[in-house]
Amino acid sequence: NAGVTQTPKFQVLKTGQSMTLQCAQDMNHNSMYWYRQDPGMGLRLIYYSASEGTTDKGEVPNGYNVSRLNKREFSLRLESAAPSQTSVYFCASSRGNTGELFFGEGSRLTVL
Amino acid sequence: ELKVEQNPLFLSMQEGKNYTIYCNYSTTSDRLYWYRQDPGKSLESLFVLLSNGAVKQEGRLMASLDTKARLSTLHITAAVHDLSATYFCAVDGGAQKLVFGQGTRLTINP
Repeated sequence: NAGVTQTPKFQVLKTGQSMTLQCAQDMNHNSMYWYRQDPGMGLRLIYYSASEGTTDKGEVPNGYNVSRLNKREFSLRLESAAPSQTSVYFCASSRGNTGELFFGEGSRLTVL
Repeated sequence: ELKVEQNPLFLSMQEGKNYTIYCNYSTTSDRLYWYRQDPGKSLESLFVLLSNGAVKQEGRLMASLDTKARLSTLHITAAVHDLSATYFCAVDGGAQKLVFGQGTRLTINP
């Protein structure tokens, strides 16, 4: 049982380049999330998707776009990367009844 | 806007001692979660607290929730080195969007 799988695990970009982080879950969860983690700031919600076909902004959505491709997959796109987007990105999915989040292993992104 | 604050942010303690991490939040919620993160790793769910007065225990860790005080505690009993990690609390801010505290980095020394 893989749980939540993220790719890539590491990526280095130059300012202005674009990239997509992929996330897939095999737990049949309806809700999926993208968080970023920066030192001393905990995790901050970028976007979430309550169900297939719906997405909504979180606390720090600027500079990002998302796609809920189907129930399993939720991708995060950086159209024009900036150094401020250097961070560790976590995808998560939620068991609807308790709201408990299950996290992927994280994707470490560096923007030069 | 929901704010979640943990204290202390850094905690160094000796094996065998007891200590408590506090999680305060600013608006009404009756759902609170505790996670553990090892360096360079993902977050692991520890406790799910879904009502006022909820108490959960697993090994040397015990978590409780007081929704009236908007406070949760994570109590560590007779600490051991393996409990060294960063601990996060998170509060349901509505629509199952969790807001996280800054994290408490716990170091347990032999």
